[in-house]
Amino acid sequence: ILNVEQSPQSLHVQEGDSTNFTCSFPSSNFYALHWYRWETAKSPKALFVMTLNGDEKKKGRISATLNTKEGYSYLYIKGSQPEDSATYLCALPIRNAGNMLTFGGGTRLMVKP
Amino acid sequence: ETGVTQSPTHLIKTRGQQVTLRCSSQSGHNTVSWYQQALGQGPQFIFQYYREEENGRGNFPPRFSGLQFPNYSSELNVNALELDDSALYLCASSPGTGEANYGYTFGSGTRLTVV
Repeated sequence: ILNVEQSPQSLHVQEGDSTNFTCSFPSSNFYALHWYRWETAKSPKALFVMTLNGDEKKKGRISATLNTKEGYSYLYIKGSQPEDSATYLCALPIRNAGNMLTFGGGTRLMVKP
Repeated sequence: ETGVTQSPTHLIKTRGQQVTLRCSSQSGHNTVSWYQQALGQGPQFIFQYYREEENGRGNFPPRFSGLQFPNYSSELNVNALELDDSALYLCASSPGTGEANYGYTFGSGTRLTVV
């Protein structure tokens, strides 16, 4: 069983603030890490898939970094907008187990206008 | 490109009953995974189907079972429902099992309430 932890559990920010949150995982046997964005009443949508230590990925105002040696990934949102309000999930696939995803508990972000 | 569709969206069942949830995978995807999300937790892996065979299973009892059909759509069946089975059930499809270097495509889920 893989232990994936996300912090903080929830976050309230003002529109325009930049924010970041963390996904921590065991550094041994790392394979890949996924970030998903999940808006209320919708389906989780893949943001990034990261595989290499030192990876940095960016999509618009959202970016992510990966440190596989110390077992963490950061997700950054620059200049938060109300439409960024969602739950952000990180998940690690387990190789040789059908690549089943082990999810963290998620970070719920609320951006106030 | 169609996404993953799940039905029904909401369901209320009585303890002890049986339930069937359905999932249509994204076009071109032959693998379907099911997840249970209880309140306040991240999704937990139930099982995965690849080309109509179960390809992996999480820590769920045998009363959770599934099927995958030739068109790669899938069903999740839960027998002898318990109150703790109340959760959001998510289906995710992917183009194969051997690659994790892509994101999975999720449905919006079925909210099951057991009373």
